[in-house]
Amino acid sequence: GENVEQHPSTLSVQEGDSAVIKCTYSDSASNYFPWYKQELGKRPQLIIDIRSNVGEKKDQRIAVTLNKTAKHFSLHITETQPEDSAVYFCAASIPPSNTGKLIFGQGTTLQVKP
Amino acid sequence: DADVTQTPRNRITKTGKRIMLECSQTKGHDRMYWYRQDPGLGLRLIYYSFDVKDINKGEISDGYSVSRQAQAKFSLSLESAIPNQTALYFCATSGATDTQYFGPGTRLTVL
Repeated sequence: GENVEQHPSTLSVQEGDSAVIKCTYSDSASNYFPWYKQELGKRPQLIIDIRSNVGEKKDQRIAVTLNKTAKHFSLHITETQPEDSAVYFCAASIPPSNTGKLIFGQGTTLQVKP
Repeated sequence: DADVTQTPRNRITKTGKRIMLECSQTKGHDRMYWYRQDPGLGLRLIYYSFDVKDINKGEISDGYSVSRQAQAKFSLSLESAIPNQTALYFCATSGATDTQYFGPGTRLTVL
């Protein structure tokens, strides 16, 4: 069945450094790839997403890249700040594309040290 | 995001008891989902619904049932709770854009 692998499971960086989280997906028909941020005790919230017709998308300090051939996508956070500390989840759409269903990665706990 | 609400927020129950978790949304979305979150396992889909008459099993539906009472309401039931159903449960909704909006979660403990 469909599968999304996310790495690393934990990531610790110094404030100001960059952080990169990587995900691979199994179904080449997946066409929508969102990233969610979950702060401690809170609900997951969408921070950025990308569709399969685009290779890269940026929003201020965060960016997502997609390599459809290799079936992997990555989240890049630059100039990290303590408030970036959270659990980050990647997800991939489950075909057919009109279902809205997602399969999530296992999550990455990011710690930004002041 | 107050548009998606869940009740209760916390619940402690005993093995064998029937439990219902409720989700309501004011976003006008047709699609609704129930997930459970366990440490290290991410979010796993239990059930999903495209509209009131269309309900489907997700990857981990055993031991759970759902009811879509209206476009805005989607309930998850545990007919006979067991300890390994202890988890954080999230409801989510989506519209035409595929973006899913999550409720605040229900922390369920089964003793």
